[in-house]
Amino acid sequence: RKEVEQDPGPFNVPEGATVAFNCTYSNSASQSFFWYRQDCRKEPKLLMSVYSSGNEDGRFTAQLNRASQYISLLIRDSKLSDSATYLCVVSLGAGNMLTFGGGTRLMVKP
Amino acid sequence: DAGVTQSPTHLIKTRGQHVTLRCSPISGHKSVSWYQQVLGQGPQFIFQYYEKEERGRGNFPDRFSARQFPNYSSELNVNALLLGDSALYLCASSIVKGIDEQFFGPGTRLTVL
Repeated sequence: RKEVEQDPGPFNVPEGATVAFNCTYSNSASQSFFWYRQDCRKEPKLLMSVYSSGNEDGRFTAQLNRASQYISLLIRDSKLSDSATYLCVVSLGAGNMLTFGGGTRLMVKP
Repeated sequence: DAGVTQSPTHLIKTRGQHVTLRCSPISGHKSVSWYQQVLGQGPQFIFQYYEKEERGRGNFPDRFSARQFPNYSSELNVNALLLGDSALYLCASSIVKGIDEQFFGPGTRLTVL
């Protein structure tokens, strides 16, 4: 079993749609949780950290359920520029290695 | 401010050869981590160095080695290259203390023929 599992997609959605990605992790000792975005043939870039209370950044909302070891990302009002691969990432805390899921590919169409 | 830099950007080698990849972290960052990303998969952790000492090692064979220099730059070495070593090699730097975020460089794309 992979440590971090994601649906690889692709998710094909029209502009303006709301799309949700899910992720599960196996290590209950994980302390830090993130969503990274990776454009084709580029490096991953931090989209947002995920907190137990849930957090929102503009059109993006992330939630964490520690009991179920489940992380989600919701994108509202999708833009063409949101097309990318979204990587679910966990770590044991500051200074520790990042464990990545396989990524979920999103394609937003006009 | 300059971000994480990596060299070279692209590299083509043949099986059995050796390769050295280089990384310069963001100024003030003392930790460097290396990741391998095979096409279609998420990055996998190879090594972490902090203050020139190895702090972590992923599930990679001994053909992979790394080091960190006094200026906090780092090298990743891979010996006896295999076709399966073809990947994007990413370097990430971080402050470590109290800060989770790791900042990634653009990567070195290695092709082994």
